[in-house]
Amino acid sequence: DTGVSQDPRHKITKRGQNVTFRCDPISEHNRLYWYRQTLGQGPEFLTYFQNEAQLEKSRLLSDRFSAERPKGSFSTLEIQRTEQGDSAMYLCASSWVGEGGVDEQFFGPGTRLTVL
Amino acid sequence: GQNIDQPTEMTATEGAIVQINCTYQTSGFNGLFWYQQHAGEAPTFLSYNVLDGLEEKGRFSSFLSRSKGYSYLLLKELQMKDSASYLCAVPPSGDYKLSFGAGTTVTVRA
Repeated sequence: DTGVSQDPRHKITKRGQNVTFRCDPISEHNRLYWYRQTLGQGPEFLTYFQNEAQLEKSRLLSDRFSAERPKGSFSTLEIQRTEQGDSAMYLCASSWVGEGGVDEQFFGPGTRLTVL
Repeated sequence: GQNIDQPTEMTATEGAIVQINCTYQTSGFNGLFWYQQHAGEAPTFLSYNVLDGLEEKGRFSSFLSRSKGYSYLLLKELQMKDSASYLCAVPPSGDYKLSFGAGTTVTVRA
């Protein structure tokens, strides 16, 4: 297993453009999380999926943001009409949540978004 | 919500010991995680504590006191490669998403 992968690793876009990021979790993991991290801060939770169901969205996730996990495997995060404040590292993490187990989240390398 | 506090920066010498403290306030408790994050890289899992006491894993140990809302990560025999940000994180009670502290940047000097 190669771990969690994200694509692209870097994205530079102009304000007002739409961008889409992809995350491929570890194959047997049933949970998938999206976080956002800005310089000097810890990651902030955005949303998560249990299999294909999106169970929670942070209030940080405005209506310009949408995430999907259509078949319970890979996930996409789309940002419409990007703003300069969206510039950040977008991290994906996955985990296997079983009965009474520890939810150890494995993070991908992140997609660094720069909005000009 | 969760309030998680940890120092911003710490500096130590190669071979020394450093202790990174973390205090938290949560509406419930579902364990505490420590992650290591090198600059420009993803966080990687270091430890998980759910019961009071010390968990030792090689050069790294993590301690938890639930009654005090306090944890620390102890790094022993510091190596240059330990220079990184160390993130304290707690999931809200009954949930699995993580609330992270801002991280403590540890710089190891020769």
